[in-house]
Amino acid sequence: DAGVIQSPRHEVTEMGQEVTLRCKPISGHDYLFWYRQTMMRGLELLIYFNNNVPIDDSGMPEDRFSAKMPNASFSTLKIQPSEPRDSAVYFCASSLGQGYTDTQYFGPGTRLTVL
Amino acid sequence: DQQVKQNSPSLSVQEGRISILNCDYTNSMFDYFLWYKKYPAEGPTFLISISSIKDKNEDGRFTVFLNKSAKHLSLHIVPSQPGDSAVYFCAASAGNQFYFGTGTSLTVIP
Repeated sequence: DAGVIQSPRHEVTEMGQEVTLRCKPISGHDYLFWYRQTMMRGLELLIYFNNNVPIDDSGMPEDRFSAKMPNASFSTLKIQPSEPRDSAVYFCASSLGQGYTDTQYFGPGTRLTVL
Repeated sequence: DQQVKQNSPSLSVQEGRISILNCDYTNSMFDYFLWYKKYPAEGPTFLISISSIKDKNEDGRFTVFLNKSAKHLSLHIVPSQPGDSAVYFCAASAGNQFYFGTGTSLTVIP
């Protein structure tokens, strides 16, 4: 298996623009997680899905952020409009089974820079 | 509010010596703890975990210790190797809640 795939790897955009990050989880994994990494706060869980259904989005910072999982092999994280403080590395992860006690497999991340 | 804290942003250790990475948490309801390792330009990878019913879990050179009364978790690496140089994140979970710390950058000096 190729592991969790994220695209793009790097994204540079201007403030106010819409940004869409993409993730393909490992086939057969029932859980998908979106994280944001910053120096100040480390890895923050933004939202996670179970069988394509959003379970907990309490970590989504504000309404500018939205995430979808239209099918078991694809998820998107959208920021509209983007702001400079959104600059961070965004990770997608997937896991098999019951959730947090199962190993999460992370993608390589998308480094987002908002100018 | 950080529920999982790694107060040392960085640590340097000589090759062959012990590396000790520390993690503190505030929520006594956390019942599962994990350590992840992250190399530059890669996503974190799972390293080792421990359930709250245990106080120690060992896997080769890596041992995780849990002190529930102190709400403290530590990762011991013995002996440390240059390939262990990475950022280490501790994480804690309880039900649907899951939190990572801010990470500790370990450098193992050859």
